[in-house]
Amino acid sequence: DTGVSQNPRHKITKRGQNVTFRCDPISEHNRLYWYRQTLGQGPEFLTYFQNEAQLEKSRLLSDRFSAERPKGSFSTLEIQRTEQGDSAMYLCASSLGRGALETQYFGPGTRLLVL
Amino acid sequence: KQEVTQIPAALSVPEGENLVLNCSFTDSAIYNLQWFRQDPGKGLTSLLLIQSSQREQTSGRLNASLDKSSGRSTLYIAASQPGDSATYLCAVRPDIGGGADGLTFGKGTHLIIQP
Repeated sequence: DTGVSQNPRHKITKRGQNVTFRCDPISEHNRLYWYRQTLGQGPEFLTYFQNEAQLEKSRLLSDRFSAERPKGSFSTLEIQRTEQGDSAMYLCASSLGRGALETQYFGPGTRLLVL
Repeated sequence: KQEVTQIPAALSVPEGENLVLNCSFTDSAIYNLQWFRQDPGKGLTSLLLIQSSQREQTSGRLNASLDKSSGRSTLYIAASQPGDSATYLCAVRPDIGGGADGLTFGKGTHLIIQP
């Protein structure tokens, strides 16, 4: 068990560019979550997958954001036409659905800076 | 809409003191509540998870309580150490169907333990 990994760890881009982040969950975890965290705030839920199905999207996830989890393994989060307001830490978490005992395990995050 | 509030926002105490961090939530229909620790620039580490039917959970020097009806949880840290310095986040999972939804986080309590 190597934990949840995220790549890249840091990304600097210019406004208007597209960026893609990757998350590799803990093996055998069937659920995968994406969150966004800005400075001084707690993480905010963006979207959730159970296996390869995207089951929930927050209203925070605008049309410029898209997430995929092909084959129910790793996941990617793409932001198109980035804006300065997209600058944040993007966190991925995975879990093994166990009802009320379900614990989400978080990765180290990808820090995005949009210039 | 669920809102989670954490008090105090920041706390600085000498090493060895016992301390209490507070978390309140507005909607008592929760599936579980988790306390996390976040070190600067890092991801989140799960500390304790309390199911909605439970009153408290303990792990080492940490004890978390839950009063679901009043919408409150506390995290008690005994005999604090400098290594406990971090931001502590409280998060609730809504009771929607099977509980499959993202967590709602507070803004955290930034804790500094002075050597």
